[in-house]
Amino acid sequence: AQSVTQLGSHVSVSEGALVLLRCNYSSSVPPYLFWYVQYPNQGLQLLLKYTSAATLVKGINGFEAEFKKSETSFHLTKPSAHMSDAAEYFCAVSELGTWDMRFGAGTRLTVKP
Amino acid sequence: SQTIHQWPATLVQPVGSPLSLECTVEGTSNPNLYWYRQAAGRGLQLLFYSVGIGQISSEVPQNLSASRPQDRQFILSSKKLLLSDSGFYLCAWSVGTYAYNEQFFGPGTRLTVL
Repeated sequence: AQSVTQLGSHVSVSEGALVLLRCNYSSSVPPYLFWYVQYPNQGLQLLLKYTSAATLVKGINGFEAEFKKSETSFHLTKPSAHMSDAAEYFCAVSELGTWDMRFGAGTRLTVKP
Repeated sequence: SQTIHQWPATLVQPVGSPLSLECTVEGTSNPNLYWYRQAAGRGLQLLFYSVGIGQISSEVPQNLSASRPQDRQFILSSKKLLLSDSGFYLCAWSVGTYAYNEQFFGPGTRLTVL
């Protein structure tokens, strides 16, 4: 079965600094990969998704992620952090032919002024 | 446009009491519907999914159940709550076949069992 591992439950960056949130996946077939953001006491909102087209995926709010098959990774980046980026971020994986979307444990991003 | 509603937003219930959480989707037909639970400091755990009226698949055996009485209505229930049922419950929907399509999440219900 597919799974994802998010390295680092908490990441803290300064405003204006690079944001890097790590996600590694495990899948027996080509995966579909997603990044979601969750603000406190709210549902999840899709940031971006990879569905086997371009390996560099651009999302909302200036985020992007690169699919690297050789590294089984799908790390999320943003060149310059903003205070409003403080939230919890979830990586997720699904496979064609299944109804499951498996989520990682999440990474809480803190942005310092 | 499509919207998803969940209620109540928050709920405090005693151990052993029943539970009913409701989720409705507007603006789409025949959606796939999902119930997730998010425990503190953990990721999302898929509890149930449904691909049509009356069709429910359970991912995790527990004292919860789900029903889909109408195309765009998904209900999560329990006859007797346990302390371990506390958490943030999220309903989601998608269209198309299988799970590789984007899932759209509701605002969630925070359940505290005392």
